[in-house]
Amino acid sequence: NAGVTQTPKFQVLKTGQSMTLQCAQDMNHNSMYWYRQDPGMGLRLIYYSASEGTTDKGEVPNGYNVSRLNKREFSLRLESAAPSQTSVYFCASSNRQGNLYGYTFGSGTRLTVV
Amino acid sequence: GQQLNQSPQSMFIQEGEDVSMNCTSSSIFNTWLWYKQEPGEGPVLLIALYKAGELTSNGRLTAQFGITRKDSFLNISASIPSDVGIYFCAGQNYGGSQGNLIFGKGTKLSVKP
Repeated sequence: NAGVTQTPKFQVLKTGQSMTLQCAQDMNHNSMYWYRQDPGMGLRLIYYSASEGTTDKGEVPNGYNVSRLNKREFSLRLESAAPSQTSVYFCASSNRQGNLYGYTFGSGTRLTVV
Repeated sequence: GQQLNQSPQSMFIQEGEDVSMNCTSSSIFNTWLWYKQEPGEGPVLLIALYKAGELTSNGRLTAQFGITRKDSFLNISASIPSDVGIYFCAGQNYGGSQGNLIFGKGTKLSVKP
């Protein structure tokens, strides 16, 4: 009963480096999401995947790319990290059918770009 | 796009006190949700509300879906130290990108023993 698993939990990057944040869910959910959380800004949607094979931009997509690898996995890639991307990143999943049953969140990846 | 105004931004209370926080929106939602985030963890769903006027409880927590569908309230009775965290409201409409949750900026709760 792992729910949503994110890796890594912590990461420090130098400006210009690239990395991929991994997310996997074992609840057979259709939809997956990537958020970033910054102090005083709440949770801002970066990208989402409503179903396997589709991805769409959220509120703050610039500087990021995503891949919905299969129904379980949704990765977030930073091609050239910038200090402004220092944040806590959360992956979430849900079923988008009828009433929303709520998102299930992972425990986050704390990223620092120096 | 739709935005949620969540207040207060932070609260410092004594153990045993009751807590109230709310969210308002300029547009209506079909669903309101309340989440709690503890330090170092992701948000966890506390209560989901699906009908205007609905009042739902989860232990010491009570949440209401405003009759206008533009607001929601969360009350915590007899607070305890483990209530510490950030509480987020979220609203949702159905269909396409509107099916995504819109989150408030959170209310940070501190409880003094």
